[in-house]
Amino acid sequence: QQPVQSPQAVILREGEDAVINCSSSKALYSVHWYRQKHGEAPVFLMILLKGGEQKGHDKISASFNEKKQQSSLYLTASQLSYSGTYFCGTEIGNSGGYQKVTFGTGTKLQVIP
Amino acid sequence: EAQVTQNPRYLITVTGKKLTVTCSQNMNHEYMSWYRQDPGLGLRQIYYSMNVEVTDKGDVPEGYKVSRKEKRNFPLILESPSPNQTSLYFCASSPFTKGQTYEQYFGPGTRLTVT
Repeated sequence: QQPVQSPQAVILREGEDAVINCSSSKALYSVHWYRQKHGEAPVFLMILLKGGEQKGHDKISASFNEKKQQSSLYLTASQLSYSGTYFCGTEIGNSGGYQKVTFGTGTKLQVIP
Repeated sequence: EAQVTQNPRYLITVTGKKLTVTCSQNMNHEYMSWYRQDPGLGLRQIYYSMNVEVTDKGDVPEGYKVSRKEKRNFPLILESPSPNQTSLYFCASSPFTKGQTYEQYFGPGTRLTVT
């Protein structure tokens, strides 16, 4: 079941903050975040696991609310380089490493000077 | 340099003409996967492979075949392409350890147009 991302699109000025949300109707084992710049491949940002473990970049901040079955990605003091489409991917239950990650439709973020 | 490569990057073909998109990774990853990306639909998994000779269907496998004869290669085969397979295709790889979740490394993408 595909997670729901919000907002679908957002425009920021440099230095402003943004929050991207990802929610699921089912209990989650993990949430994955990727960023895709126009014309490029998705690039890994972070994995948040049930129980509080996180894997990923130190400069990226995200939260995982297991009870609410949702995750949020926090982009603070945005830079032009943050522009791109952000995807969350959700893993329902521990798929045993089989990467049964279902991706959302993405949030398009544009940072302007 | 650690990377996933795909070829070709762009392909225009006609309905019914068999084609293969190659994918190769140099990171010795066990897990490889194919996704298609369509506007408004995000990334959807087509097939995945946990190791050589071990493959399984993803969410949208109809009309596609894969094979995994070598650890580094995972080609995607369209035996009789149709216009609804026009899409942007990504190959991805990651380590595989049972019970562990890892990040995926994506290739640069192959833009396929079927007329």
